[in-house]
Amino acid sequence: NAGVTQTPKFQVLKTGQSMTLQCAQDMNHEYMSWYRQDPGMGLRLIHYSVGAGITDQGEVPNGYNVSRSTTEDFPLRLLSAAPSQTSVYFCASRFRQGGGYTFGSGTRLTVV
Amino acid sequence: AQSVTQPDIHITVSEGASLELRCNYSYGATPYLFWYVQSPGQGLQLLLKYFSGDTLVQGIKGFEAEFKRSQSSFNLRKPSVHWSDAAEYFCAVAGGASGGSYIPTFGRGTSLIVHP
Repeated sequence: NAGVTQTPKFQVLKTGQSMTLQCAQDMNHEYMSWYRQDPGMGLRLIHYSVGAGITDQGEVPNGYNVSRSTTEDFPLRLLSAAPSQTSVYFCASRFRQGGGYTFGSGTRLTVV
Repeated sequence: AQSVTQPDIHITVSEGASLELRCNYSYGATPYLFWYVQSPGQGLQLLLKYFSGDTLVQGIKGFEAEFKRSQSSFNLRKPSVHWSDAAEYFCAVAGGASGGSYIPTFGRGTSLIVHP
């Protein structure tokens, strides 16, 4: 099994550009989440989904959009990139009935 | 709301010494608790989790953690640290917040430095 796959691994954007961070899992997990990791801040929840067609906001949702049309995929869209969105982004998934999250290897995004 | 505090930003130990990383949580009911480890440039790996039952939880790589309800703590321990344990460690708590979806909230992490 591939687990949780995130693409791209690295990305540089100019301020105002838009892009989509891809996340796919092959474990049939119902729950999926996006976190951002900044130095000294730990991981902060951006958006999450408890199943296909169901999404909700986390702690820091502004500037980001998500959708969940299939169980496997949970893309994160940056609508108009800002330097404050420079961060490492992690996607994670788990079964609804319990267990810890399985994390992807992350996308390092720089906005200039 | 749920929250996690990891009081130590950095911990330095000598190889072979014992280790304890502190974690305090805030949640109104019995929480789900987790410890994750992150090596440089990598994603997070689950070390262990507590859902219910025995308050002493065994994990991978020789780690264990003890849930103490009276102290709202879930400290991570290892009797003898190896150089390969140098990494960032995150404690996380989940519960019935966010509509009962049990989405974890993470602490800010503790960086473990191991001296030879």
